[in-house]
Amino acid sequence: GENVEQHPSTLSVQEGDSAVIKCTYSDSASNYFPWYKQELGKGPQLIIDIRSNVGEKKDQRIAVTLNKTAKHFSLHITETQPEDSAVYFCAPKTSYDKVIFGPGTSLSVIP
Amino acid sequence: DVKVTQSSRYLVKRTGEKVFLECVQDMDHENMFWYRQDPGLGLRLIYFSYDVKMKEKGDIPEGYSVSREKKERFSLILESASTNQTSMYLCASSLAHYSNQPQHFGDGTRLSIL
Repeated sequence: GENVEQHPSTLSVQEGDSAVIKCTYSDSASNYFPWYKQELGKGPQLIIDIRSNVGEKKDQRIAVTLNKTAKHFSLHITETQPEDSAVYFCAPKTSYDKVIFGPGTSLSVIP
Repeated sequence: DVKVTQSSRYLVKRTGEKVFLECVQDMDHENMFWYRQDPGLGLRLIYFSYDVKMKEKGDIPEGYSVSREKKERFSLILESASTNQTSMYLCASSLAHYSNQPQHFGDGTRLSIL
């Protein structure tokens, strides 16, 4: 079956540093690659997404890069702030329209 | 902005009770989903629906059923609640089948079965 992994599972950075979370997937025909942020007591919310015809997308301090050949995509957060502390999920969409959520990465930004 | 509203933030029920969790979305989305979220297990799909009166089993449907009588409303039913169904339940919606659009989540219902 499909497999989605995230690394690292936990990440702790100093405020102002960068954070990178990597998501690997198994379905080579996956075509939609979102990242969600879940704050305490809330549901996951989309923060950035990328489609398979694009290699990189940036939105202010957040960027996503996609390597379809290697079957992974990464979330990059620059100039981290305490409010970036949350759990982050990747959720690639398979070729038959099923969404598989990764296990999550807990990011802590230390002031 | 899409709004997905779950009827209760916290719910406490007893073993054997029939439990209803309600979810409403306001953006005319075709797809709706129910997940449960447990520590160490991530988000697991229980049921989903691509249209009114349509439902499909997800990865862990046992012990649950769903109802979608109107496009905007998707209900999760625990027929006879058990303690192992204590969990956070998340409802989500998305635009349409094969649309490559994100899912929009409610803030969850934390259900405790005593």
